[in-house]
Amino acid sequence: SYDLTQPPSVSVSPGQTASITCSGDKLGDKYACWYRQKPGQSPVVVIYQDNLRPSGIPERFSGSNSGNTATLTISGTQAMDEADYYCQAWDSSTAVFGGGTKLTVL
Amino acid sequence: EVQLVESGGGLVQPGGSLRLSCAASGFTFSSYDMHWVRRATGKGLEWVSTIGTAGDTSYAGSVKGRFTISRENAKNSLYLQMNSLRAGDTAVYYCARVGSYRIFDYWGQGTLVTVSS
Repeated sequence: SYDLTQPPSVSVSPGQTASITCSGDKLGDKYACWYRQKPGQSPVVVIYQDNLRPSGIPERFSGSNSGNTATLTISGTQAMDEADYYCQAWDSSTAVFGGGTKLTVL
Repeated sequence: EVQLVESGGGLVQPGGSLRLSCAASGFTFSSYDMHWVRRATGKGLEWVSTIGTAGDTSYAGSVKGRFTISRENAKNSLYLQMNSLRAGDTAVYYCARVGSYRIFDYWGQGTLVTVSS
């Protein structure tokens, strides 16, 4: 089965840049998505097809994917960005999620 | 407005069964692949199962042989029959639609399944 690995936690100061990585075998050959989930809420996509932002997602969210690693970058992180973030890719018809990263804005 | 509303969660004993439902509205249900995704407390999202527009199905290894996904397009409804439940199946279960670009673009609010004696 295909696995995606994320760091369990990332901390960032308000206004600084947060980077969350997602590693998987030849992940760069697939499209990566990123989802944000806040407590008590359902997940929301923040990046799709590696680096595209859905409408309504702030420009400070960006993504990249190359080799074995996809990265979600949040520039000028705000307190409201504190949440769990999950990368996701497709392995044929199976959706694979990373283990999730808790982003703390200190 | 697209809406997905899950129901059917609750407390069940180990080895028991439960059937989850997801009522869809605001879109042409029959035209979309639908999925179940779960999140156990303190853990991350875990994909559970999918059913395509043609009725083709796929399951995570952890539930294969125990869970059955189905859909009833005439009722705009998605189902998950869960048998031989284990403590490890305790989680909030979400139904989700996969839209353009293979994004999980709409999610329900989730229904809690607790497997405990």
